[in-house]
Amino acid sequence: GIQVEQSPPDLILQEGANSTLRCNFSDSVNNLQWFHQNPWGQLINLFYIPSGTKQNGRLSATTVATERYSLLYISSSQTTDSGVYFCAVESGRRALTFGSGTRLQVQP
Amino acid sequence: DTAVSQTPKYLVTQMGNDKSIKCEQNLGHDTMYWYKQDSKKFLKIMFSYNNKELIINETVPNRFSPKSPDKAHLNLHINSLELGDSAVYFCASSTSPGELFFGEGSRLTVL
Repeated sequence: GIQVEQSPPDLILQEGANSTLRCNFSDSVNNLQWFHQNPWGQLINLFYIPSGTKQNGRLSATTVATERYSLLYISSSQTTDSGVYFCAVESGRRALTFGSGTRLQVQP
Repeated sequence: DTAVSQTPKYLVTQMGNDKSIKCEQNLGHDTMYWYKQDSKKFLKIMFSYNNKELIINETVPNRFSPKSPDKAHLNLHINSLELGDSAVYFCASSTSPGELFFGEGSRLTVL
């Protein structure tokens, strides 16, 4: 099956810093999403982005499907951004395969 | 209104017991899923149903039996619970392909 690798596995930031999370995948995809799992365990859909660039407030994402990677940018980080960020992809299988996540801790 | 709701949120039970988790979505999606999240936060697909039809059944022990009475509901029944079944089980729904929306999770602890 398709492989999904996320980096870095862990990230500690000071409040106000910017960061880039990366997702590499091993095959062409027809679906790619980014999720945030907050400290209470809720999984929140951030972006549905099989290709191109999207922005939502301080967050933006870019997927370069031909090169099989996606990036999630977090600007001016806040303590509420803490949690685990997951990239998930679908390659004709009709279910998302998840990466192992990036654990982000934003310190005040 | 909660888009994807699952109950109960917490289950604590003894080994060997049987338990069920219910899931309902009001988004009008045609596909529903069960995912398992282990203690290391890894999320893995277990089952997927499209319009009540099973389309994905990963290598899950047959002690796990999903049931979809209609396209808005997908329940999970687990027989003869084992210690290794302890995890958080997430229900989700989507159009296909499309954005995936998760329920709040059901934390199962087997003693």
